[in-house]
Amino acid sequence: AQSVTQLDSQVPVFEEAPVELRCNYSSSVSVYLFWYVQYPNQGLQLLLKYLSGSTLVKGINGFEAEFNKSQTSFHLRKPSVHISDTAEYFCAVSVGFGNEKLTFGTGTRLTIIP
Amino acid sequence: EAEVAQSPRYKITEKSQAVAFWCDPISGHATLYWYRQILGQGPELLVQFQDESVVDDSQLPKDRFSAERLKGVDSTLKIQPAELGDSAMYLCASSPRSSYNEQFFGPGTRLTVL
Repeated sequence: AQSVTQLDSQVPVFEEAPVELRCNYSSSVSVYLFWYVQYPNQGLQLLLKYLSGSTLVKGINGFEAEFNKSQTSFHLRKPSVHISDTAEYFCAVSVGFGNEKLTFGTGTRLTIIP
Repeated sequence: EAEVAQSPRYKITEKSQAVAFWCDPISGHATLYWYRQILGQGPELLVQFQDESVVDDSQLPKDRFSAERLKGVDSTLKIQPAELGDSAMYLCASSPRSSYNEQFFGPGTRLTVL
């Protein structure tokens, strides 16, 4: 069975500074990887996804992530954060093609300091 | 822009009472998911439907939880009787048949059991 580890439960960052949110996964087969963002009392919104091809994936709101198969990682980065980026971020993995369930990490709360 | 609809947004109930949540997926989406998100954790799949059929309900506590999607469109998740440990956010998501596992989430129903 697959699993996802988000080592940092909380990450405080000053406004306009860069940020990296870490995600490591475990799976015996090839995976699809996702990052979702959740604002307070809302559902999850897809930031970006890795299916195949280029290991550097660009998403919405200026975020990007890099798939590293040898390190089984899929870290999320943004070069300059804004107050509006304050939210909970979830890394997720699935192993099947077509409507297989997502396994989520425990989330990282990103707090932007003015 | 099409969205997944859920109601109610908030529900407060006493333990041993019955509660029901409703989800209307994006039109045309064949797959529907119900997730439970306990505070401070990532979402966990409860049940997955493909059209009107259950594909995965391995994590659904079947002694008290039930889910249906009678016409393959909207869905209802029921808890009877509710227990204190059921307090959580219940998220519904949907995806089209060839989405490469990208799921679209609704705003969720926050359940508080007193």
